[in-house]
Amino acid sequence: NAGVTQTPKFRVLKTGQSMTLLCAQDMNHEYMYWYRQDPGMGLRLIHYSVGEGTTAKGEVPDGYNVSRLKKQNFLLGLESAAPSQTSVYFCASSKRRGWGEQFFGPGTRLTVL
Amino acid sequence: DAKTTQPPSMDCAEGRAANLPCNHSTISGNEYVYWYRQIHSQGPQYIIHGLKNNETNEMASLIITEDRKSSTLILPHATLRDTAVYYCIVHAGGTSYGKLTFGQGTILTVHP
Repeated sequence: NAGVTQTPKFRVLKTGQSMTLLCAQDMNHEYMYWYRQDPGMGLRLIHYSVGEGTTAKGEVPDGYNVSRLKKQNFLLGLESAAPSQTSVYFCASSKRRGWGEQFFGPGTRLTVL
Repeated sequence: DAKTTQPPSMDCAEGRAANLPCNHSTISGNEYVYWYRQIHSQGPQYIIHGLKNNETNEMASLIITEDRKSSTLILPHATLRDTAVYYCIVHAGGTSYGKLTFGQGTILTVHP
């Protein structure tokens, strides 16, 4: 099992550009999450999904959109990137039960100039 | 979810036990205590969780006080690879759908 994978690993954007981060999991998990982590801070939840076709806002959703068209994939989109979105983005997944035990991907380091 | 308090940093000698404390005095009856760690630049890694009984797995032991207001994560024989930030998180089920709240954590440094 690959677990949770994220694409790309690194990306540099200019202000106003758009991009999509891809998260994939092969554990048949129901729940998936997107977090961001800024220097010296803990992780903050952006959006999450409790199943295919569903999404919900987390703690810091502004400026991001998500989609969960397939159970194994969770996409995070930035329509118009801003320097404040420079961060490391982590995707995670968990089973329907025991959702506190989350499996994290390796992260995507995004810089917006 | 209840708030947790952890020391900002701790040191431990390689081969010795590392005991990481966490205070969660406002924990509710349905909230679990979870521990994660994050090795530099990697995604967080789940370690262990418990409700009120002590728990042990291949990575660590979790000791929860009888009043559940505090807990201790024990790494029995710390190695250099255990150097990481350790997060103590209290988390309820129900409708919170896994919205883990990561605080500042404890930076554990294991010395040779």
